[in-house]
Amino acid sequence: NAGVTQTPKFQVLKTGQSMTLQCAQDMNHNSMYWYRQDPGMGLRLIYYSASEGTTDKGEVPNGYNVSRLNKREFSLRLESAAPSQTSVYFCASRAPGQGLNNEQFFGPGTRLTVL
Amino acid sequence: GQQVMQIPQYQHVQEGEDFTTYCNSSTTLSNIQWYKQRPGGHPVFLIQLVKSGEVKKQKRLTFQFGEAKKNSSLHITATQTTDVGTYFCAEGSSNTGKLIFGQGTTLQVKP
Repeated sequence: NAGVTQTPKFQVLKTGQSMTLQCAQDMNHNSMYWYRQDPGMGLRLIYYSASEGTTDKGEVPNGYNVSRLNKREFSLRLESAAPSQTSVYFCASRAPGQGLNNEQFFGPGTRLTVL
Repeated sequence: GQQVMQIPQYQHVQEGEDFTTYCNSSTTLSNIQWYKQRPGGHPVFLIQLVKSGEVKKQKRLTFQFGEAKKNSSLHITATQTTDVGTYFCAEGSSNTGKLIFGQGTTLQVKP
């Protein structure tokens, strides 16, 4: 049981290049999330998928697209990378059900630098 | 939009001293979650508080949710070097599970 996995761990891009960040979970969770973390700003939600087949924008969606490929996988795509997208990206998932237990499980993160 | 403010941003303590971080909102929070992130690591869930005035303890950690559900605190008694990291509070949405994070408090412990 690997939990939440992310690839790659590190990436350097040039401005204008595109790439896809991969995320997968093996906990049979319905909901998945993408966050970015910048110094002094906590984690900010980019996109989320409450269940397979649905995606919704979070706080900072501009410049990103997502795909919920199946229940396990949720990818984040940067079509034309910009230096402002230099950040650490975390994927997370949440167990089924609502209400009392909203605990999210985070992946190890992808450290992205855009030059 | 909803904002969760967390203070202080940094705290340096001597090992054995106590530590507290505070989380505040201008509106009523449906629930509050706390996460810990070790340097170079990822956030790890610590606890969730739901009820007004709730107090929960985990060994040396005490979590409180305010009576008005607009603030929360995490208190660590007698810090150890293993407590080093950044502590985040976050409001969770009960239907979508979305989290709105505070900015975090980074704790350094001097041995």
